[in-house]
Amino acid sequence: DGGITQSPKYLFRKEGQNVTLSCEQNLNHDAMYWYRQDPGQGLRLIYYSQIVNDFQKGDIAEGYSVSREKKESFPLTVTSAQKNPTAFYLCASSILQGTLNTEAFFGQGTRLTVV
Amino acid sequence: AQSVTQLDSHVSVSEGTPVLLRCNYSSSYSPSLFWYVQHPNKGLQLLLKYTSAATLVKGINGFEAEFKKSETSFHLTKPSAHMSDAAEYFCVVSDPANDYKLSFGAGTTVTVRA
Repeated sequence: DGGITQSPKYLFRKEGQNVTLSCEQNLNHDAMYWYRQDPGQGLRLIYYSQIVNDFQKGDIAEGYSVSREKKESFPLTVTSAQKNPTAFYLCASSILQGTLNTEAFFGQGTRLTVV
Repeated sequence: AQSVTQLDSHVSVSEGTPVLLRCNYSSSYSPSLFWYVQHPNKGLQLLLKYTSAATLVKGINGFEAEFKKSETSFHLTKPSAHMSDAAEYFCVVSDPANDYKLSFGAGTTVTVRA
């Protein structure tokens, strides 16, 4: 089955620890994205990548880091510098066709709780 | 710059009555526009998309949306609400002049009364 997989679904970490969230897609999509969702705030863009070995900061990149070594994978690391990391994290991917961005496919999300 | 404004943070309808979710966007180029639905603690599911073809777009579960360039709007409608439509809905715009970033509206929560 083609799709986008996030793991784990739930993650608990102690304050001050770095944690990496996994995102894998087998859709052969060019672009991948990480969003953070907090109650009542919609989705905010953390990082995005249009091609391998290249990525750009989104609106709330501070305290996060990413890599894009393979087309299929776009892991997100939540570092200890992120002041309020507890949130629901969503990964997405999409095809870029000329001047159009076709629909984004979303993973099922990872709920990170920092205690 | 692009932005998306969902004009209602919460919409409440009775089962069997029409649903209207309003979305306005700003974009410096011909955008791609999407509506997604999210049920609690789940990922987002695509309802429909506009990518420069027909301005009236039909989606899944009886939803449709009309792209109106003159009004910079992309409102989502459904003629008859069902209890299963209770969820959060997001309007999304992608603009090639803004690096194809997907920009989300703040979301509209729909409740359906029996």
